[in-house]
Amino acid sequence: EVQLVESGGGLVKPGESLRISCAASGFNFTTYTMTWVRQAPGKGLEWVSSISSTTRSIFYADSVKGRFTISRDSTKSSLFLQMNSLRADDTAIYYCARAPRHIVFVTADDFYYNYYMDVWGKGTTVTVSS
Amino acid sequence: SYELTQPPSVSVSPGQTASVTCSGDRLGDTYVSWYQQKPGQSPVLVTYQDVKRPSGIPERFSGFSSGNTATLTISGAQAMDEADYLCQAWDRSTGGFVFGTGTTVTVL
Repeated sequence: EVQLVESGGGLVKPGESLRISCAASGFNFTTYTMTWVRQAPGKGLEWVSSISSTTRSIFYADSVKGRFTISRDSTKSSLFLQMNSLRADDTAIYYCARAPRHIVFVTADDFYYNYYMDVWGKGTTVTVSS
Repeated sequence: SYELTQPPSVSVSPGQTASVTCSGDRLGDTYVSWYQQKPGQSPVLVTYQDVKRPSGIPERFSGFSSGNTATLTISGAQAMDEADYLCQAWDRSTGGFVFGTGTTVTVL
């Protein structure tokens, strides 16, 4: 069974750090881009960060750039998010999601990849409060 | 980055058709996915690459995109379809994922 299980959430004070993890199973972790998405209480989904299968491409939302670091360990089929300088507005459920890609040909010689999220974990809750 | 706008709510009678729209200035340059999220649960992918449906998703869910508007249609809505629905696109200029504002579908 394809599965993603997040862990490591908790209650921290503003300015503190936290590292959350996502354990993947049931698929070849090494071949997928992986993402973190968060959802603040009563709000919609917000993409946080993505890391390609090779770790060559890493992207962050502007709201977390410079404070959060995404990483992965293919030997352990695990995804991580190191969160520093946490703020109250980082309070959210953090979901790990798998992001398959499909190729889109603009011309016969020019193409790009497009991504979506097909498997989600149940999430881990991060609360930042004094 | 850009914004994807959805209506806050859509109501539909059981057995009827519900349409949820997603609008964005650059939607014509990318593909759209739709997610269903019920209270207290993780999002579930219901359509991707504009029109494709993952295995296990009922045929009553269909996606379409034209110009700067994408539409999720639920044909023959059932009570179990009550949920929030969010569109999503991938912005290749930034490498980021963009989610829509979300639509609550009520079946009554």
